[in-house]
Amino acid sequence: GQQLNQSPQSMFIQEGEDVSMNCTSSSIFNTWLWYKQDPGEGPVLLIALYKAGELTSNGRLTAQFGITRKDSFLNISASIPSDVGIYFCAGLNAGNNRKLIWGLGTSLAVNP
Amino acid sequence: SAVISQKPSRDICQRGTSLTIQCQVDSQVTMMFWYRQQPGQSLTLIATANQGSEATYESGFVIDKFPISRPNLTFSTLTVSNMSPEDSSIYLCSVGPAGGSDTQYFGPGTRLTVL
Repeated sequence: GQQLNQSPQSMFIQEGEDVSMNCTSSSIFNTWLWYKQDPGEGPVLLIALYKAGELTSNGRLTAQFGITRKDSFLNISASIPSDVGIYFCAGLNAGNNRKLIWGLGTSLAVNP
Repeated sequence: SAVISQKPSRDICQRGTSLTIQCQVDSQVTMMFWYRQQPGQSLTLIATANQGSEATYESGFVIDKFPISRPNLTFSTLTVSNMSPEDSSIYLCSVGPAGGSDTQYFGPGTRLTVL
C-alpha cells in the first residue's frame, strides 16, 4: 500500500543536540500526525496538525504542516535520553475512510 | 484523548490454534482499527471495524483468517485464526476520531509469538 517517505531512517545523537526529521508524500493530506513508539508499546500521539502552514509545539517538540500539504517535519530540541524510540509520521484524509498512511519510522538513539 | 486497553498484552501460542485479542475504549467511538506491526516495521492496517456493520478488510487480509467483532461503541475483538509462525507480530487497535479531534489513538498492543 501507499507509504510516506520518512527520513532519516535512523539517527544517533548526543544528549542536548537538536533533532529534525521529515515526511513527504506524493499526495495531499488534511491531517498530519506524529507518533512516538517505545519498545513493546503502542504508538503515542505527539502532535496533530490540521492546517497547511500550521506550526505546533508540544514541549521540546515542534512540528509543521507543509504549505503544499504534502510534507511535514518534526523537530526535537535539546534531546534527552528518554527521547529514544521510533518516531512515525502519518497522513490522514477524511475522505479515505480515515485510514492512516504511515511513514517507515525514524529510529532515534541518544547518547547520554 | 481516549484510553485504550488490550488483552492479552502478550501470548505464546502453538501453530494451528487461534487467539482472540480484546480492545476496550473508555469512551464511545465510531471507528476502531486493527493493525499488525512486524518486528522493525511500520504499521499495516488489517481492517476497520464499525459498530453495526461488517468489518472492512485491507488487501491481503481476509475475514476467515482475521474475524473481527464490534458489538458496541467501546469494544472490539480480533481473532487470529489457524496461526502459523508468520503471524508472530504485534497487534494494535486504534480508535478515531476521538477526544473531539480528527486523529487516532492506539492501544498498548498485543505481542504474539507463534511456535
